[in-house]
Amino acid sequence: DTGVSQNPRHKITKRGQNVTFRCDPISEHNRLYWYRQTLGQGPEFLTYFQNEAQLEKSRLLSDRFSAERPKGSFSTLEIQRTEQGDSAMYLCASSLATVRSGNTIYFGEGSWLTVV
Amino acid sequence: GQQVMQIPQYQHVQEGEDFTTYCNSSTTLSNIQWYKQRPGGHPVFLIQLVKSGEVKKQKRLTFQFGEAKKNSSLHITATQTTDVGTYFCAGPDRGSTLGRLYFGRGTQLTVWP
Repeated sequence: DTGVSQNPRHKITKRGQNVTFRCDPISEHNRLYWYRQTLGQGPEFLTYFQNEAQLEKSRLLSDRFSAERPKGSFSTLEIQRTEQGDSAMYLCASSLATVRSGNTIYFGEGSWLTVV
Repeated sequence: GQQVMQIPQYQHVQEGEDFTTYCNSSTTLSNIQWYKQRPGGHPVFLIQLVKSGEVKKQKRLTFQFGEAKKNSSLHITATQTTDVGTYFCAGPDRGSTLGRLYFGRGTQLTVWP
């Protein structure tokens, strides 16, 4: 399978605990995105990387959230001191952003987080 | 800031009826993309429109991009139960071709057999 891979697919954690999600993008893609989606809403942008550089972070991304893409390949999203409001599906996506092809993004299956 | 609005939020149709969802942006878009998310699934890319007034078809699905590049629509002819899901439009950041995508809230389609 050469699509975007995310794990774990589901995570239940107690409030205050830290969680980490991993994303492996499509190998030839240069961009990697993290989005968050709650029930009845569209995906909300969190942050994105071009290769290993984190180019943009949403104001939604509090200090408790940190994302890394150390070698420009896989990425991790860590949430520290989780709160119930963090419960959502965390979607990773990747794209080959070029002027010619545009910026179509391809999502992984998502990581569901439930904070109890 | 950039906003992409979609209407309606929900649509319930009987199998065989047509369905349309509309997307409006507060700013001119360089392109617009459509995604479908099945219940319990993740968004899957359907199509990208780039040119003003562009119309593209995929079998029973017809996508349009407005002349002013600020609105778009998706029309499904003769819906089937396999069309069930939420349809999202998404546009890039203001004035950008390759910027991050802003997603609408989506239109959730239910098809009764």
